[in-house]
Amino acid sequence: AQSVTQLGSHVSVSEGALVLLRCNYSSSVPPYLFWYVQYPNQGLQLLLKYTSAATLVKGINGFEAEFKKSETSFHLTKPSAHMSDAAEYFCAVSDPGGGADGLTFGKGTHLIIQP
Amino acid sequence: DAMVIQNPRYQVTQFGKPVTLSCSQTLNHNVMYWYQQKSSQAPKLLFHYYDKDFNNEADTPDNFQSRRPNTSFCFLDIRSPGLGDAAMYLCATSRDRPGGTDTQYFGPGTRLTVL
Repeated sequence: AQSVTQLGSHVSVSEGALVLLRCNYSSSVPPYLFWYVQYPNQGLQLLLKYTSAATLVKGINGFEAEFKKSETSFHLTKPSAHMSDAAEYFCAVSDPGGGADGLTFGKGTHLIIQP
Repeated sequence: DAMVIQNPRYQVTQFGKPVTLSCSQTLNHNVMYWYQQKSSQAPKLLFHYYDKDFNNEADTPDNFQSRRPNTSFCFLDIRSPGLGDAAMYLCATSRDRPGGTDTQYFGPGTRLTVL
């Protein structure tokens, strides 16, 4: 079964600093990978996704992520944090074999932006 | 705007009293999902419909049922809610079968409280 590990349940950065949220996957074949953001009391919104077309993926709100097969990673970055980036971030994996399951999510990382 | 709508946003029920949560979509997507998200945890897939085909996750309790009377609507029925069923329930949709690169679009969620 696929799994996703997000290192750090909480990450705190200063406004204007680099944001780095870590995601590692466990799968026998490279899966499809997603990053979602969840603001308080709201549903999940897609930030970006890896579909094997390009290893560096650019998303909304200035976020990007790089797929590294050798490291089984898909870390999320943003060069300069903004107060509005404070939220919960979920990495998720989808089965490229076309299995019947939905997304498998990591446990999430709560991003805190310090003024 | 095309969207996923969940009603109500907040639902309070009593221990053992049946409750129904509602989800509707204007995206005309084939697939509708229900996820359970407990406090500070990742969303967990309960089941999904591909058109009229119902797909239950192996570990979803029998207490949880779902109905999809038409393309636009999907309901989550909890027959006898227990205290452990208190959670945020997220509805999502996608155009294509799960397991690929298709984006899932989430509603804002219904927060269920069991007294």
